[in-house]
Amino acid sequence: AQSVTQLGSHVSVSEGALVLLRCNYSSSVPPYLFWYVQYPNQGLQLLLKYTSAATLVKGINGFEAEFKKSETSFHLTKPSAHMSDAAEYFCAVSDLGSGNTGKLIFGQGTTLQVKP
Amino acid sequence: GAVVSQHPSWVICKSGTSVKIECRSLDFQATTMFWYRQFPKQSLMLMATSNEGSKATYEQGVEKDKFLINHASLTLSTLTVTSAHPEDSSFYICSATPASSYEQYFGPGTRLTVT
Repeated sequence: AQSVTQLGSHVSVSEGALVLLRCNYSSSVPPYLFWYVQYPNQGLQLLLKYTSAATLVKGINGFEAEFKKSETSFHLTKPSAHMSDAAEYFCAVSDLGSGNTGKLIFGQGTTLQVKP
Repeated sequence: GAVVSQHPSWVICKSGTSVKIECRSLDFQATTMFWYRQFPKQSLMLMATSNEGSKATYEQGVEKDKFLINHASLTLSTLTVTSAHPEDSSFYICSATPASSYEQYFGPGTRLTVT
């Protein structure tokens, strides 16, 4: 079985500050890991994904994440927060690595607040 | 590319009626589509996985007779909420996966309110 835990349901940073959103996963097979962003009343937009290639993954809007197998983590970072980054962020794990259907298991989500 | 649409974007229906939500892949063929449900301030919960031309696979705890899923073509999947009740009010999101990819592309969601 796979699961994802996002530490911190709410993160608040000042504009220009470092953004760090934490995600830990559990998987019995090599995981595929994803970070999505959701703006109010909208669907999900893919920020970045890890699919067993490079452990440091760069995504859109200046976000990046590092896959650390020893820590079972896939934390999302951005060096300098913008006001437009305020949104809900979801970490997700997929069972694709084992040739399964690829369904996503989502974490609980983290609300990012950016203060001026 | 890889655009997924949902219709309607929001719907209000009376308790006891049925409502159908459409999910379309606009510029690719989707061999697999997924339906999720999201309550306010909560995460997405997978309801079912549908493959074109076959029956949907429902997650544990999801009533398949209440949430009817049809994936009749490679670009269209529908979710019908039958005999809707206020507790079915939620944000329903679909996603679609192209045949040559593993990535899921998400629709904008449908807000269902049952009165």
